[in-house]
Amino acid sequence: QKEVEQNSGPLSVPEGAIASLNCTYSDRVSQSFFWYRQYSGKSPELIMSIYSNGDKEDGRFTAQLNKASQYVSLLIRDSQPSDSATYLCAVSHPGNTPLVFGKGTRLSVIA
Amino acid sequence: DTGVSQDPRHKITKRGQNVTFRCDPISEHNRLYWYRQTLGQGPEFLTYFQNEAQLEKSRLLSDRFSAERPKGSFSTLEIQRTEQGDSAMYLCASSRPGQDYGYTFGSGTRLTVV
Repeated sequence: QKEVEQNSGPLSVPEGAIASLNCTYSDRVSQSFFWYRQYSGKSPELIMSIYSNGDKEDGRFTAQLNKASQYVSLLIRDSQPSDSATYLCAVSHPGNTPLVFGKGTRLSVIA
Repeated sequence: DTGVSQDPRHKITKRGQNVTFRCDPISEHNRLYWYRQTLGQGPEFLTYFQNEAQLEKSRLLSDRFSAERPKGSFSTLEIQRTEQGDSAMYLCASSRPGQDYGYTFGSGTRLTVV
């Protein structure tokens, strides 16, 4: 079992809809959680970080963390074609260990 | 803040040759990471530095790979006797210490071994 699991997709949503991206992790001591966006041929860019259970909102993005169930999700409201990219989930452990990435979910927003 | 710089952007090499990549992190970031990414996969951790000290190397990293960060500034990643399986995007990232900071990635070096 990989430490960070994501559905590879593609996840297709119509423009204006809510895109929901999910990630599960296997190590209960995981402490910090990050979502990165990666456009084709480009490097990952940080979208959001979350450390505590619950929701964290930033513009059209909401990260949700449930440590008891060991999952973290990313909601994108009012999805735009420009949101079409691969979304990477990453986790780290106490002691600020290097991030472990999932393989990413490819999102396609259809105009 | 000029971002993380990587050089070269692309490298094509023949199998068996040695290659070296360079990464210049954001100046106030004391942590520097190297990752490798292949098509359809997430970034895979290779090694990282805090200042000039190399703190961790992935168990997946063969002896053909070596990294340095002299004086805690730029870093180099060398691959000796390249193999076709080394073809990948090599990503460098930097961060401040502490859990609250995510990484800033460079544009990457795409290596093709022919």
